[in-house]
Amino acid sequence: DFQMTQSPSSLSASVGDRVTITCRASQSIGTYLNWYQQKPGKAPKLLIYAASSLQSGVPSRFSGSGSGTDFTLTISSLQPEDFATYYCQKTYSSPYSFGQGTKLEIK
Amino acid sequence: EVQLVQSGAEVKKPGESLRISCKGSGYSFTNHWIAWVRQKAGKGLEWMGMTYPGYSDTRTSPSFQGQVIISVDRSISTAYLQWTSLKASDTAMYYCGRLSDGSGPLDYWGQGTLVTVSS
Repeated sequence: DFQMTQSPSSLSASVGDRVTITCRASQSIGTYLNWYQQKPGKAPKLLIYAASSLQSGVPSRFSGSGSGTDFTLTISSLQPEDFATYYCQKTYSSPYSFGQGTKLEIK
Repeated sequence: EVQLVQSGAEVKKPGESLRISCKGSGYSFTNHWIAWVRQKAGKGLEWMGMTYPGYSDTRTSPSFQGQVIISVDRSISTAYLQWTSLKASDTAMYYCGRLSDGSGPLDYWGQGTLVTVSS
């Protein structure tokens, strides 16, 4: 069964920092990897799809890379509104499971 | 404007049945898969399954197989998530989402339906 593993599970950073979150698939998934942002009490929001494509309306400080089993989400310069929880998701072969999440907190 | 509007919060007792809904508008409802995602309080997102309104294909995650029923009524652009016998462990927020395509991301989400199961 596929496993999606995110690291770290939590992260403290400051405004202006560059941050990288990693997602690893237990089997190759090509570029069928998406990233979401979720703020408390809100539905998740799509940031990146197909590993590196920026969803319309998402700031360019967000970027994604990777293929196969290893993927990264990078925020180039953290803004106050970026403190949230981030999830990766595979859409290669149902079930389209999520990683366990990375909570990004203010240092 | 694409919208997914979910039914309101529910409070139920263990053993009761429940069906929650997700109504799509602003796009061709029959051309996009609709998925259901569970989130327990303070926890992560769990993929439950998805349904394709175009020909009523449904794929339920093995983790939820036999626990829930996913269905759709394309005549009213509405997808459903149903339980026949709720448990306290079903207490969670449930989100529906639209897949951009068959293996695409969830590009639009509903606002969530909170289900509370308590005696």
